[in-house]
Amino acid sequence: ETGVTQSPTHLIKTRGQQVTLRCSSQSGHNTVSWYQQALGQGPQFIFQYYREEENGRGNFPPRFSGLQFPNYSSELNVNALELDDSALYLCASSLSGQERTDTQYFGPGTRLTVL
Amino acid sequence: SQQGEEDPQALSIQEGENATMNCSYKTSINNLQWYRQNSGRGLVHLILIRSNEREKHSGRLRVTLDTSKKSSSLLITASRAADTASYFCATAAYQGAQKLVFGQGTRLTINP
Repeated sequence: ETGVTQSPTHLIKTRGQQVTLRCSSQSGHNTVSWYQQALGQGPQFIFQYYREEENGRGNFPPRFSGLQFPNYSSELNVNALELDDSALYLCASSLSGQERTDTQYFGPGTRLTVL
Repeated sequence: SQQGEEDPQALSIQEGENATMNCSYKTSINNLQWYRQNSGRGLVHLILIRSNEREKHSGRLRVTLDTSKKSSSLLITASRAADTASYFCATAAYQGAQKLVFGQGTRLTINP
């Protein structure tokens, strides 16, 4: 157990809808990263949040957005859902700054199905 | 896009045998990490090797890194049925964000 939690576990949406996924980071960690994992593929980096600001972004369109809260928990929002957005969404927590940890600790993921 | 290529894509061995998985990458890295994933669930961190290290051990795991060839290998000794999972290598290069770039993974099956 990494101490990283995600909700919900599973979600079914229809094309065009909007979805919000949630992540609580491990105690003591100040950085949250989000990844998308399509079936049979490795995870792909969506973006990272540090001190409530986006700290880096992968090759994902603006309809993927996020938030980080003062308690370091985070949300991933996806607007105008497309069929290809069906995937496992993983969040990972880590510690940035002077006490930086290079290891990212992953949550169990949210399985999103878009019909 | 994914930086790493893993080889083989699938590996099936008998319990007790050793399993070796390889990973190649394209750009300079700060460190390389190996993760395990069971049946589409979350990733479990196994081991991290830094760019200035050549070999690292953790229990039954041995990881090597050759930065001149941009490749790494993961060896699992004395495999067990519980080792059945997908294994991913991920490279990290700090460019603002601490971003991991994953390969496509090796699916390992341990037969009893």
